[in-house]
Amino acid sequence: GAGVSQSPRYKVAKRGQDVALRCDPISGHVSLFWYQQALGQGPEFLTYFQNEAQLDKSGLPSDRFFAERPEGSVSTLKIQRTQQEDSAVYLCASSPSGTQYFGPGTRLLVL
Amino acid sequence: GESVGLHLPTLSVQEGDNSIINCAYSNSASDYFIWYKQESGKGPQFIIDIRSNMDKRQGQRVTVLLNKTVKHLSLQIAATQPGDSAVYFCAEGLAVNDYKLSFGAGTTVTVRA
Repeated sequence: GAGVSQSPRYKVAKRGQDVALRCDPISGHVSLFWYQQALGQGPEFLTYFQNEAQLDKSGLPSDRFFAERPEGSVSTLKIQRTQQEDSAVYLCASSPSGTQYFGPGTRLLVL
Repeated sequence: GESVGLHLPTLSVQEGDNSIINCAYSNSASDYFIWYKQESGKGPQFIIDIRSNMDKRQGQRVTVLLNKTVKHLSLQIAATQPGDSAVYFCAEGLAVNDYKLSFGAGTTVTVRA
């Protein structure tokens, strides 16, 4: 069946621009997660949704990062006023409960 | 969070040999451990998991071993194939449904033909 999909796959932004990254979870998965993966590192937790409720956003690096999942399905991670240190792969994962299934990620490069 | 995964960052293996990838974790409260495989340009792919009440679990060509005494986790891959070349991450959580997984830095496995 269809897995987690993310778009765009690649994004180049000029410093100061706003970006929006989209995640389409596996149909029926209640839980959705965002991770940030720096080059050569493991993924780091950003935020977690259960249906439309954002239950934990403790991993978001700053208030420039904002995530939403208004209808409990598709989620968007928005980064305002991007900075060079925001360059990373942003991974989305979904889960029915327990095992997390990851999407291919969006590679963000901020110039 | 706690750091997971003191390890050798790279591992070169001859095709057909067995591979062993190691991971040390530091949070003794962790109850759930997972191995993920990440190929270039792709997201992490679930391989196998184990709970802390077990010390061994087997899947297809893979075995995960957990030693809680020394807080060590290993992934064994039997008869390594070229398609096994990837970065392997161990991750830990406080429970099976713990949403806040902590990942190690990963081990890059290269399979030599």
